[in-house]
Amino acid sequence: QSALTQPPSASGSPGQSVTISCTGTSSDVGGYNYVSWYQQHPGKAPKLMIYEVSKRPSGVPDRFSGSKSGNTASLTVSGLQAEDEADYYCSSYAGSNNSPYVFGTGTKVTVL
Amino acid sequence: QVQLQESGPGLVKPSQTLSLTCTVSGGSISSGGYYWSWIRQHPGKGLEWIGYIYYSGSTYYNPSLKSRVTISVDTSKNQFSLKLSSVTAADTAVYYCARLGYCSGGSCYSFDYWGQGTLVTVSS
Repeated sequence: QSALTQPPSASGSPGQSVTISCTGTSSDVGGYNYVSWYQQHPGKAPKLMIYEVSKRPSGVPDRFSGSKSGNTASLTVSGLQAEDEADYYCSSYAGSNNSPYVFGTGTKVTVL
Repeated sequence: QVQLQESGPGLVKPSQTLSLTCTVSGGSISSGGYYWSWIRQHPGKGLEWIGYIYYSGSTYYNPSLKSRVTISVDTSKNQFSLKLSSVTAADTAVYYCARLGYCSGGSCYSFDYWGQGTLVTVSS
């Protein structure tokens, strides 16, 4: 099972928006509405930010939004804040034929 | 609030078995409804799902690691454990335990609670 493809980096100024893509295949991202996004600050555990493509867990700011089109999912962070600087990983359910959970390659978001 | 905490040796010799335990607090493994997972992150790299266990003891492993992985559960201690045999330097990573939640239709799809992670180095 190959990792989902994300751009290595993305950046934006405070207050701006940044969008991160996550490209998979019809066997994972395109086949299921079970894409999640995780935020990871250096030396910390990942934190769930988005589940089921576009839903936010309790406590996650509505500045974070998710979407999906075909085999590509996207995470948008609006109104960038300094604390949003982190690594972001997507994940998708991939069924039971192989590893059911596949992660993305990760994107470093820098707040300029 | 559910909390998870990994414990175990930080240094393992090549060819030996890596053993880690995850202690869960703030929720009971035996209440069901969730799967309990191990995930690892190689230094400076992405995340890799290792496997999960249900309170009943049923397991599912990543096929790429299946021949070397055993995950077990001790509901009396509210703990679950990972054993990875025949380790090499390629198994050096931060190992996380996590709860797999947001379930429907008998499967769960997102890791909603994570331990802080523990670095395991494989070296002689």
